[in-house]
Amino acid sequence: DGGITQSPKYLFRKEGQNVTLSCEQNLNHDAMYWYRQDPGQGLRLIYYSQIVNDFQKGDIAEGYSVSREKKESFPLTVTSAQKNPTAFYLCASSSLSRLGYTFGSGTRLTVV
Amino acid sequence: SQQGEEDPQALSIQEGENATMNCSYKTSINNLQWYRQNSGRGLVHLILIRSNEREKHSGRLRVTLDTSKKSSSLLITASRAADTASYFCATGETSGSRLTFGEGTQLTVNP
Repeated sequence: DGGITQSPKYLFRKEGQNVTLSCEQNLNHDAMYWYRQDPGQGLRLIYYSQIVNDFQKGDIAEGYSVSREKKESFPLTVTSAQKNPTAFYLCASSSLSRLGYTFGSGTRLTVV
Repeated sequence: SQQGEEDPQALSIQEGENATMNCSYKTSINNLQWYRQNSGRGLVHLILIRSNEREKHSGRLRVTLDTSKKSSSLLITASRAADTASYFCATGETSGSRLTFGEGTQLTVNP
C-alpha cells in the first residue's frame, strides 16, 4: 500500500543533542513538508521541498535542518539550537498536480 | 503565520445533529482544504474547494467558500460519535503547493 511513514513514533532528546526524524513516502509525490504541532494548536510549517536537492524555509525554520537527497525521503534534524523542541512533528507529501496532502502518523519529541 | 482562523474553537453536539465549522482567512488563495485529526494521529484530507468554486459535497460533508468574505464553512450532516476529532482548514497559495493551517475546531459528538 502507498503511504508515508514517520519514525520513530516517540523520541526523547537530552539537552544539547541533535536528533533526526525520519519521513519516507512511496506515493511518488514531488513535494514534502514538515510541520510542528503544539498541544491544542494548529500546524506550523518548518521546511518544505518541491523537488529533490531543493528545499525552502517555512515559518519556523530556526533550529531545524532538512535534506532532500532522494524523492522518497525528507529527514528533519532538530538541532540543539532549537530552544523549545518538545512537540508533535508531522510530515506530509503531495503531488504538484493534486493538491491534497497525505500525512504521516507523526513523531512525538520530548526533551528530557 | 496562521492564515486561517476556525470558529468555534470547540463544539459539542448530540449524535444525529449537524455540525458547522467556519474558517476565515486573510490573503488571496488558490484553494481551501479541510482536514480531520484524531487525537495523537496524523491529519486526513477530507475535501478541497478551489477559489472559483462556491460549494462542494462529499458524502455527509458540505463545504462552502465565499472569497469576497474570505471565509469557508464545513457542514457535517447526521453526525456520528466516530466524527469526534479536530477539524482544520488550510489555505493554498496562489502559486506553489504550501498550505497554511488554522488552529482547528475540536468537535465532540456525544452518543
